[in-house]
Amino acid sequence: GAVVSQHPSRVICKSGTSVKIECRSLDFQATTMFWYRQFPKQSLMLMATSNEGSKATYEQGVEKDKFLINHASLTLSTLTVTSAHPEDSSFYICSARAGTEPFEQYFGPGTRLTVT
Amino acid sequence: GQNIDQPTEMTATEGAIVQINCTYQTSGFNGLFWYQQHAGEAPTFLSYNVLDGLEEKGRFSSFLSRSKGYSYLLLKELQMKDSASYLCAVLDSNYQLIWGAGTKLIIKP
Repeated sequence: GAVVSQHPSRVICKSGTSVKIECRSLDFQATTMFWYRQFPKQSLMLMATSNEGSKATYEQGVEKDKFLINHASLTLSTLTVTSAHPEDSSFYICSARAGTEPFEQYFGPGTRLTVT
Repeated sequence: GQNIDQPTEMTATEGAIVQINCTYQTSGFNGLFWYQQHAGEAPTFLSYNVLDGLEEKGRFSSFLSRSKGYSYLLLKELQMKDSASYLCAVLDSNYQLIWGAGTKLIIKP
């Protein structure tokens, strides 16, 4: 199947700093990429959907100025958590989807963010 | 609104068979996915159904009935490594994936 990489896998940062997470589709062109957040023992929560070359569409309750998403190419999307706070500590997962059926989403391995 | 229901937790015995049910009410339907997620890891794709019937893939099978808004994932010859959460997700009319909360499957020896 298709491969999606995510970097870094783990990051620890201090409160008030910014963190960038990269998501790459390695062997296919991803017309759409998704960013999820998952807190311990909870289900996936979609944060935003991004199409290459367009502004991301954020889900209700997700601050677009805090979670900056850039989808500059068909193989790369980045999520920047700006001015991170301890409550932003979570498991961030990206997924990528090609523009053809069955529109399966391929997930990256996730990034565990800890804000101290 | 859109809704996907699946049991929160199930327990089964190693070597046995377990069926995880999923019912959905969504705005449109363009397919149903099952994903497996081990603790601390990202989900991995298991199956996709868009037509009614049973899709078999090794020890795992997935069934769909669109008229009933119902699917199940059947796991046979359970192994300890099958302990994980199983997520049901439906692709709606906007090709947006609507996720269930997941079923935590516990396998006992």
